[in-house]
Amino acid sequence: GENVEQHPSTLSVQEGDSAVIKCTYSDSASNYFPWYKQELGKRPQLIIDIRSNVGEKKDQRIAVTLNKTAKHFSLHITETQPEDSAVYFCAASKGDTGNQFYFGTGTSLTVIP
Amino acid sequence: DVKVTQSSRYLVKRTGEKVFLECVQDMDHENMFWYRQDPGLGLRLIYFSYDVKMKEKGDIPEGYSVSREKKERFSLILESASTNQTSMYLCASSPPQGLNTEAFFGQGTRLTVV
Repeated sequence: GENVEQHPSTLSVQEGDSAVIKCTYSDSASNYFPWYKQELGKRPQLIIDIRSNVGEKKDQRIAVTLNKTAKHFSLHITETQPEDSAVYFCAASKGDTGNQFYFGTGTSLTVIP
Repeated sequence: DVKVTQSSRYLVKRTGEKVFLECVQDMDHENMFWYRQDPGLGLRLIYFSYDVKMKEKGDIPEGYSVSREKKERFSLILESASTNQTSMYLCASSPPQGLNTEAFFGQGTRLTVV
């Protein structure tokens, strides 16, 4: 099966700085890579995703890059704000039967005002 | 908006009890999932279902079973609750295979087994 590893497990940055979270996956058949943000006490919600036919995707202050050859993908948050503080999960999916998602172990991001 | 609703936010049960966690989605999604969330371990898949009456084991199915009698409802059953099943349980749903799109999560049920 798929194995998704995520680093770092915790990350603290000063407000206004950038934050980068990295994930690797093992199954070359995975072709969909979403990122979820989970604020304290709330449900995970999708913030950005990327498909394997694209190398980079950007949405305002967040961007995701994908390197299929190396089997890794990263989340980049620029100009961080206190409201970016949350746990972030990466995931990989093959889109086959059940469209099963394999999640990383999460990164707890703290943005220090 | 997709709504995935879990029947309880908090539950306290005794060791040995049979526990039912209910999840309902309103977007006619084929796929439904049950995850367990523990600190440092991320989201681990317990069971998933890609159709009514269909179920597949995830990574940690031991001690759990599921039921999907209707498309909109997916139930997680703890046959005999144990203290190591104290955790946050998250239900999710997603559209059919091949569409490769996001999973929508419920608000979670924090289960404590005493």
